[in-house]
Amino acid sequence: EVQLVESGGGVIQPGGSLRLSCAASGFTFSSYPMSWVRQAPGEGLVWVAALSRGRIYYADSVKGRFTISRDNSKDTLYLQMNSLRVEDTAVYYCAKEGQLGYFPHWGQGTLVTVSS
Amino acid sequence: DFQMTQSPSSLSASVGDRVTITCRASQGISNYLAWYQQKPGKVPELLIYSASTLQSGVPSRFSGSGSGTDFTLTISSLQPADVATYYCQKYNNAPLTFGGGTKVEIK
Repeated sequence: EVQLVESGGGVIQPGGSLRLSCAASGFTFSSYPMSWVRQAPGEGLVWVAALSRGRIYYADSVKGRFTISRDNSKDTLYLQMNSLRVEDTAVYYCAKEGQLGYFPHWGQGTLVTVSS
Repeated sequence: DFQMTQSPSSLSASVGDRVTITCRASQGISNYLAWYQQKPGKVPELLIYSASTLQSGVPSRFSGSGSGTDFTLTISSLQPADVATYYCQKYNNAPLTFGGGTKVEIK
């Protein structure tokens, strides 16, 4: 059974940094592209970043501030978030891609609150 | 910027009604379109991929159609368990943009 467990969320002041982790199990982690998707309170889903077959992609809103990475030896996906803004407040989900870029598997999410 | 536009943003229908949600891409995406259901307080779940392929375990009252820029999600007979927000997502290339969502309620 595929399991994705996010951690690392919390309350942080604007301008601060946070690193999210997503521990994966139940599948061959190194073989699958992975993404981060976020959802601000009461709002819709927003794709944030993807690490796909050695290539990295970011949404314009986080480019230059966020870094996605993975450690295949630890079956873990990361999101390093720097220069955080109030508008980055959201639940952050990690998601495992299917064959072509849709998301059959999601973690439970971790809440990041950026507030002074 | 690439846009995925869903309509309506919300709807209210009776149990047993046929419900249709539309999603329009600002550029052609072939059939690289997925639909998700998110129930209140829950994680999104994949319903349909490749515009019309039902994910395993999803009830057959859900169906998808379309190609290019215009897509639809249809619930053939609305059930109380279908109360949720529905999102489309394109995945032909990055950015993997989601639509704004359609909230479905029971009348």
